Amino acid sequence: KQEVTQIPAALSVPEGENLVLNCSFTDSAIYNLQWFRQDPGKGLTSLLLIQSSQREQTSGRLNASLDKSSGRSTLYIAASQPGDSATYLCAVRRGNNNDMRFGAGTRLTVKP
Amino acid sequence: GAGVSQSPSNKVTEKGKDVELRCDPISGHTALYWYRQSLGQGLEFLIYFQGNSAPDKSGLPSDRFSAERTGGSVSTLTIQRTQQEDSAVYLCASSLGPSGNTQYFGPGTRLTVL
Repeated sequence: KQEVTQIPAALSVPEGENLVLNCSFTDSAIYNLQWFRQDPGKGLTSLLLIQSSQREQTSGRLNASLDKSSGRSTLYIAASQPGDSATYLCAVRRGNNNDMRFGAGTRLTVKP
Repeated sequence: GAGVSQSPSNKVTEKGKDVELRCDPISGHTALYWYRQSLGQGLEFLIYFQGNSAPDKSGLPSDRFSAERTGGSVSTLTIQRTQQEDSAVYLCASSLGPSGNTQYFGPGTRLTVL
């Protein structure tokens, strides 16, 4: 059974700092991995989707990497801003089916 | 609307009552998903609809849970004889095509069973 773990559970940083969020998964046979942010009352917003054949994806200040062999993904946020404060979730899809497993998330607070 | 919408945003009900949650996916999205997020837990997959295919119900926790999607668009998730452990945020998502595409999530319905 695929287990997805996110560390740390919560993180507080000053504005401007670069930071890394971690996601690990137990079964390396994945189809893709997706990072989301969750804002209260607004549901989830997809940030980056990495296919199993890819090593990383970038969007603006965000960079996500994927290392299937070690069962890890990282989300790198450069020059953090208070507007980045949210809960960040990673989700792993095991195959080209509907079995998508989510981590419990990392709650990020960026202080002005 | 431009995004996935869900109603109601909040629902408080008494144990034993039935509830219906509604999801309006993005227009043109053929795939629709329901998830549940309990306090402090990760998202849990419940059910998946793709076009006219039979839905994947493998994530439904019990036979008190059911969902339907009418006309390939709006979906309702029904919970019968609600229990306190059903309290959670229920999220709906849609995607353009079959699994593998980016999913777009609605704001969720917070269900509280007293």
